Amino acid sequence: GAGVSQSPSNKVTEKGKDVELRCDPISGHTALYWYRQSLGQGLEFLIYFQGNSAPDKSGLPSDRFSAERTGGSVSTLTIQRTQQEDSAVYLCASSLTQGGPSYEQYFGPGTRLTVT
Amino acid sequence: GQSLEQPSEVTAVEGAIVQINCTYQTSGFYGLSWYQQHDGGAPTFLSYNALDGLEETGRFSSFLSRSDSYGYLLLQELQMKDSASYFCAVLMTTDSWGKLQFGAGTQVVVTP
Repeated sequence: GAGVSQSPSNKVTEKGKDVELRCDPISGHTALYWYRQSLGQGLEFLIYFQGNSAPDKSGLPSDRFSAERTGGSVSTLTIQRTQQEDSAVYLCASSLTQGGPSYEQYFGPGTRLTVT
Repeated sequence: GQSLEQPSEVTAVEGAIVQINCTYQTSGFYGLSWYQQHDGGAPTFLSYNALDGLEETGRFSSFLSRSDSYGYLLLQELQMKDSASYFCAVLMTTDSWGKLQFGAGTQVVVTP
């Protein structure tokens, strides 16, 4: 079946502009995660949606970052008033949680964001 | 707080064996996962340990000692295609059920 998809694959924006990044998880996956990865670095957790529960927003670096997940499926990560330090690859992942936490996350190809 | 430590880089020749260690300090530990990421690619799941001991999956094995807060990934019969970054990740149960906390990654370089 189809994997996790993300769009756009690349985004170049000017400092101060808003951007929206989209994630389509694997159909039926109840959990969805957003991560940020700077060049040569590890994965920085941003936000986590689990079913109908309130999202875990503990990783969002500032109030310029927000995310929503509509209908338990597609998610959008929005960055307002972008700054140069926001430049990174934004990765989305989904997992199937049935009766217990899932240790296996399926990642999308990422969106490379460049803020000029 | 939460922290995971793993070496930044390991270099080995084709056919060799490489061990990537991961030590962690987290609350609400549930298990340890390992992911592989090739340059420019997405991370992909390799293995998971919830209980102490060794899990073997082909050329790759993963080990966990909960009492020592320590695990490792063993790559055997190294191939050029194994050149990638490898991340350990703790599955946590506190703060947020089912959240993975990733280490900074280990770059494995395989030489001919």
